[in-house]
Amino acid sequence: QAQLVESGGGVVQPGRSLRLSCAASGFTFSTYAMHWVRQAPGKGLEWVAVISYDGSNKYYTDSVKGRLTISRDNSKNTLYLQMNSLRAEDTAVYYCARDLTISSENWFDPWGQGTLVTVPS
Amino acid sequence: SSELTQDPAVSVALGQTVRITCQGDSLRSYYASWYQQKPGQAPVVVIYGKNNRPSGIPDRFSGSSSGDTASLTITGAQAEDEADYYCNSRDSSTNHWVFGGGTKLTVL
Repeated sequence: QAQLVESGGGVVQPGRSLRLSCAASGFTFSTYAMHWVRQAPGKGLEWVAVISYDGSNKYYTDSVKGRLTISRDNSKNTLYLQMNSLRAEDTAVYYCARDLTISSENWFDPWGQGTLVTVPS
Repeated sequence: SSELTQDPAVSVALGQTVRITCQGDSLRSYYASWYQQKPGQAPVVVIYGKNNRPSGIPDRFSGSSSGDTASLTITGAQAEDEADYYCNSRDSSTNHWVFGGGTKLTVL
């Protein structure tokens, strides 16, 4: 079955960089758009970014534009999130999720288990 | 930017029916999807589209939509349904996605 596994989280000082990875298996990765979603401690889910199946289109929530970059390597079945100029407010569990769309029906499935990024204030 | 509004908390007696709502302009163009999240776990989709349940999701979960409001209904709530529930929708005008603030469901 489809599975996603994130890695790369950790503690990073403000202003520094980190790259998250999301390894996909059990489905044809290169045919699906993919998302990053984050959740700050004790808070709700926040959509971060999406990348099209071939990497040609990328969209970001306003608060991360210019600092976080989503990318993918379809030859390695892997999704990435390059995080630069990190701030305390970027502290969160980061999830990757597969996009499923049929006409006006859209949903995320599956989700990875998440990786925690901590930026001390 | 579009927003989705949910009640922060809802409670239901064991075995009774509860409805969780989600309101936002983007729901006029795209159906909501609903996610259940239990403490320390990743979200899991429970309803998507007009009223679709992924395999493994009990049939006590159902969805509906009218105008700018989507609803998740649990008919005969069980103790294991106690969780946070989030709605999500795509904003077609911006190619962004948005989550509601979440509803904490307590089963009494």
